[in-house]
Amino acid sequence: NAGVTQTPKFRILKIGQSMTLQCAQDMNHNYMYWYRQDPGMGLKLIYYSVGAGITDKGEVPNGYNVSRSTTEDFPLRLELAAPSQTSVYFCASREAGGYNEQFFGPGTRLTVL
Amino acid sequence: KNEVEQSPQNLTAQEGEFITINCSYSVGISALHWLQQHPGGGIVSLFMLSSGKKKHGRLIATINIQEKHSSLHITASHPRDSAVYICAVTPWETSGSRLTFGEGTQLTVNP
Repeated sequence: NAGVTQTPKFRILKIGQSMTLQCAQDMNHNYMYWYRQDPGMGLKLIYYSVGAGITDKGEVPNGYNVSRSTTEDFPLRLELAAPSQTSVYFCASREAGGYNEQFFGPGTRLTVL
Repeated sequence: KNEVEQSPQNLTAQEGEFITINCSYSVGISALHWLQQHPGGGIVSLFMLSSGKKKHGRLIATINIQEKHSSLHITASHPRDSAVYICAVTPWETSGSRLTFGEGTQLTVNP
C-alpha cells in the first residue's frame, strides 16, 4: 500500500493565484483530514470528511475549499492565495469509528509571495 | 489557553539519557495520541492511549485520565530519536474523531 500520498511536495504561488493540493489514500479509510502547520505552532484542522460526499469545516477553513467525490481522494482548493496561507499542509486518514490511529501524508510546503 | 499543553517546548539530551515529555489537556477525551515528526517533516503515530500504559521498544507512554495528563518516556536515548514529539487528543463528542494538537516538543539527542 502507498498509504496517504500528497502532491505536490513543494509549490510557490503568487498572491491571488489558485491551486489544488491533491491527497489520496489506498487504505479504504472513510475519514480524511486536511491540516496546516505553521512554524512553532501545532497542527490546525482546515477541513475534514467522514465519507464520500460529506465534508465539514475545521478550525481554520477560511480561504479553502474541499470536495470528496470518492473514498480515495480529498483535494484541498486555495482560490485566492494570500501570504497568510504560507504553511506546510498535511493530509491524513483513518478508519471510521472506534479506536484508530491517523495516517499522515508526507506534506506539501506552500509559499505564497 | 490551549486545550493541549506540552512541556518542555525544547529538550536537549546526551545519548543514553532517560527522557520524559509531558502533556496536559483540559477536556474530556476518548483517546490520546503521541506522534513523531521527523526532521524531514513526515508524521507517524507512536501510541494511542485511553488508559494505563503502552510500551514499544524504548518508548513508553502513560496516561492518567483523572489528572488529564500523559507522559512519553524514551529510555537509552539515541541521536536518531531527535524529532518533534506531538501530543494530540480526541475530545469526547467530537464529530469525525478530530484531533486537537499540542505545539510539540523539539527533542535533540547529542552523541
